[in-house]
Amino acid sequence: QVQLVESGGGVVQPGRSLRLSCAASGFSFSGYAMHWVRQAPGRGLEWVAVISSDGNNKYYADSVRGRFTISRDNSKNTLYLQLNSLRAEDTAVYYCARASCLSTVCQSLYWGQGTLVTVSS
Amino acid sequence: QTVVTQEPSFSVSPGGTVTLTCGLSSGSVSTSYYPSWYQQTPGQPPRTLIFSTSIRSSGVPGRFSGSILGDKAALTITGAQADDESDYYCVLYMGSGIWVFGGGTKLTVL
Repeated sequence: QVQLVESGGGVVQPGRSLRLSCAASGFSFSGYAMHWVRQAPGRGLEWVAVISSDGNNKYYADSVRGRFTISRDNSKNTLYLQLNSLRAEDTAVYYCARASCLSTVCQSLYWGQGTLVTVSS
Repeated sequence: QTVVTQEPSFSVSPGGTVTLTCGLSSGSVSTSYYPSWYQQTPGQPPRTLIFSTSIRSSGVPGRFSGSILGDKAALTITGAQADDESDYYCVLYMGSGIWVFGGGTKLTVL
């Protein structure tokens, strides 16, 4: 079955960087777009970024554009999110999600358990 | 910037029917927004219920259905059960690769 396991979260100081990973299994990773979605403590879901199945198309929420970078390695079945210039408001659980199909127009369908990022001095 | 709107809270009696909606601060939701619905309980990741307006995700009970009602996307729960008490989120595709979640609806079954 589809399995998504996020890692790389932790406590980081404002202005520093972090890289999240999402290891995928149970499906043909290269055939699906992938999303990152986050949820601040006690708040709702916020879409962060999406990448197409071949990695050629990437889109970001306004709140992270220019600071975060989504990427993927289809040979390793792994999705990444590079978080730079972190701010306190980036504190959240970060979920990776497999889309329903290959393009960035495809919705999140399967979700990982999430990894917590805490930005604090 | 367009905001995706949801009812902050809703309540339904066990066995009853409830319709949650997902709208836009400006304009109407259509199938071109590929509305999707997610259920989340505290401490758990979201669970996909409905995608592309009305397609039920694998394993989702038939009492959950999605549609367009007027100018909004809608999630209807028919025959609500106690374990349907959750937060429900919709997401819409805004074009140019951008997705936006609604603020969520807290559903109480009592």
